[in-house]
Amino acid sequence: LAKTTQPISMDSYEGQEVNITCSHNNIATNDYITWYQQFPSQGPRFIIQGYKTKVTNEVASLFIPADRKSSTLSLPRVSLSDTAVYYCLVAISGNTPLVFGKGTRLSVIA
Amino acid sequence: DSGVTQTPKHLITATGQRVTLRCSPRSGDLSVYWYQQSLDQGLQFLIQYYNGEERAKGNILERFSAQQFPDLHSELNLSSLELGDSALYFCASSEGGGLDYGYTFGSGTRLTVV
Repeated sequence: LAKTTQPISMDSYEGQEVNITCSHNNIATNDYITWYQQFPSQGPRFIIQGYKTKVTNEVASLFIPADRKSSTLSLPRVSLSDTAVYYCLVAISGNTPLVFGKGTRLSVIA
Repeated sequence: DSGVTQTPKHLITATGQRVTLRCSPRSGDLSVYWYQQSLDQGLQFLIQYYNGEERAKGNILERFSAQQFPDLHSELNLSSLELGDSALYFCASSEGGGLDYGYTFGSGTRLTVV
């Protein structure tokens, strides 16, 4: 499994765009990049998944450069409710267990 | 509601006891995963079942066991409980084949061993 590295914590003000970068130098050809969000005492929630270039949904955007050795989760105009831990995971999609790292603790300040 | 149901939500028990945690996966999902989350260890993968069969094993102690039943619900059995077993236990489910767009987690069972 490819190892991921992401910042331990980040702070942001409300209304700002937040970008969380994850490095995964050993990503394999079949690996997908997936991001999860977890609020205290709740289960992680799937945010977005991608293989290359850019993926956008109603919650976030995921930017993946051509070499796929890193990815950036972009959260537009964050609010206090976006305060959570964000996990970057790299795995072969489909029927394989996810291995979570420490994640990035995002604190949104009013 | 994520569609993954875990019961009970809270459990308080004494050291040495045995407990059973239950998980009902999202409708149509064949894979069930169990995770343990404690303050100092983060989210640790324990075990995966797919359509009734054990598929993958992670950091699961010998005192712990699990199974998945024909109706696809799963149970995690924890025995000879120790104080260090106090944690949140999450169950997740996925379709189990081909391309999965993420796993769905339940809201967890908080186990407190006293």
